[in-house]
Amino acid sequence: NAGVMQNPRHLVRRRGQEARLRCSPMKGHSHVYWYRQLPEEGLKFMVYLQKENIIDESGMPKERFSAEFPKEGPSILRIQQVVRGDSAAYFCASSPKDSTSGNTIYFGEGSWLTVV
Amino acid sequence: GENVEQHPSTLSVQEGDSAVIKCTYSDSASNYFPWYKQELGKRPQLIIDIRSNVGEKKDQRIAVTLNKTAKHFSLHITETQPEDSAVYFCAASPGGDNFNKFYFGSGTKLNVKP
Repeated sequence: NAGVMQNPRHLVRRRGQEARLRCSPMKGHSHVYWYRQLPEEGLKFMVYLQKENIIDESGMPKERFSAEFPKEGPSILRIQQVVRGDSAAYFCASSPKDSTSGNTIYFGEGSWLTVV
Repeated sequence: GENVEQHPSTLSVQEGDSAVIKCTYSDSASNYFPWYKQELGKRPQLIIDIRSNVGEKKDQRIAVTLNKTAKHFSLHITETQPEDSAVYFCAASPGGDNFNKFYFGSGTKLNVKP
């Protein structure tokens, strides 16, 4: 059973360009989360999605950032007009649909974005 | 919203000694508390978790304790080994509609000296 797959693993963008990060959840998982990790810091929640639905985007910056999880294909985190402060590791995680409280989430290997 | 605080930020122990990392949380509705280990440049990996109906859980050299009244939980690693060196993160999940939304502590960098 393949784990959470993220690509690209490393991405370099110049200021003002767009970055697209992709995430395919584990098989059987219908919940996807994006977290950002700045250097030497912890993980900060960005957005929680189910298929075709954004459940919670309270951690997303209001501008330049968007996320989607279409009916077919991976979840995509899109950052427009990147700035140096966007340089970070972006981790995707997934969990199964489960009505019980508290689900383990499984992280992908991360996408390291460097803005030059 | 939930606020998770983690201490210490760095911890250095001699191989074979024990290591303890502590976290506090603010939302009494939180009911799931996982711990993740992250090696440099790698993804966070779940090492142990505890749910609010349990006070303690152990898995070989790793144990976690939870005090719901005081709203704190701790990770205990016994007989530490150099390969335990990593950054450890605690997290809390508030349950309800957001039961899969995790709030992470700021991390503890553990260094086990051989």
